[in-house]
Amino acid sequence: DSGVTQTPKHLITATGQRVTLRCSPRSGDLSVYWYQQSLDQGLQFLIQYYNGEERAKGNILERFSAQQFPDLHSELNLSSLELGDSALYFCASSSVGGASGELFFGEGSRLTVL
Amino acid sequence: GESVGLHLPTLSVQEGDNSIINCAYSNSASDYFIWYKQESGKGPQFIIDIRSNMDKRQGQRVTVLLNKTVKHLSLQIAATQPGDSAVYFCAENMVAGNMLTFGGGTRLMVKP
Repeated sequence: DSGVTQTPKHLITATGQRVTLRCSPRSGDLSVYWYQQSLDQGLQFLIQYYNGEERAKGNILERFSAQQFPDLHSELNLSSLELGDSALYFCASSSVGGASGELFFGEGSRLTVL
Repeated sequence: GESVGLHLPTLSVQEGDNSIINCAYSNSASDYFIWYKQESGKGPQFIIDIRSNMDKRQGQRVTVLLNKTVKHLSLQIAATQPGDSAVYFCAENMVAGNMLTFGGGTRLMVKP
């Protein structure tokens, strides 16, 4: 158990809809990262937050947004969903003083868009 | 359990044999190189990392080798066990952002 909690584990929705994925980082971790894992793209970095502030942005679509709240949990919002958004979405966290590259991943939220 | 079903290269080894998983990286400026293991239905799990100024690092049953001349990274697993069956990803990291860029992954299958 990594200590990172993601909900929901599974989500099925229709094209055009909007969903919110939730992540609780490990206790004490200030950084939260979101990754997308799809069949043909592997693990793609979406966005990073550190203590409530956006720190880095990767290949995140404009239809997607995220935020980190004062209690350090994070939400990833996916809107105007398309079939191609079907994927596993992972949240990871790290501590400020953690070994570089050591992220702790949750078990993911599997999104299916029909 | 869940499976991503990635179309990945597969390495099949006999239980007890040594495994070598290879990775080519792209960014010469990366400070750290990391190996992650992803079991079916789970998120990636950190195995071992190596700093760019090193060429070898050993852990418990695992060794990572870094060849910066040809931008090549490898993970060696000694005495491979059924529990080692998973997808293995290499990743690069620049310390400034702690933002990992993952490689495509290799599926390791261990035959009993």
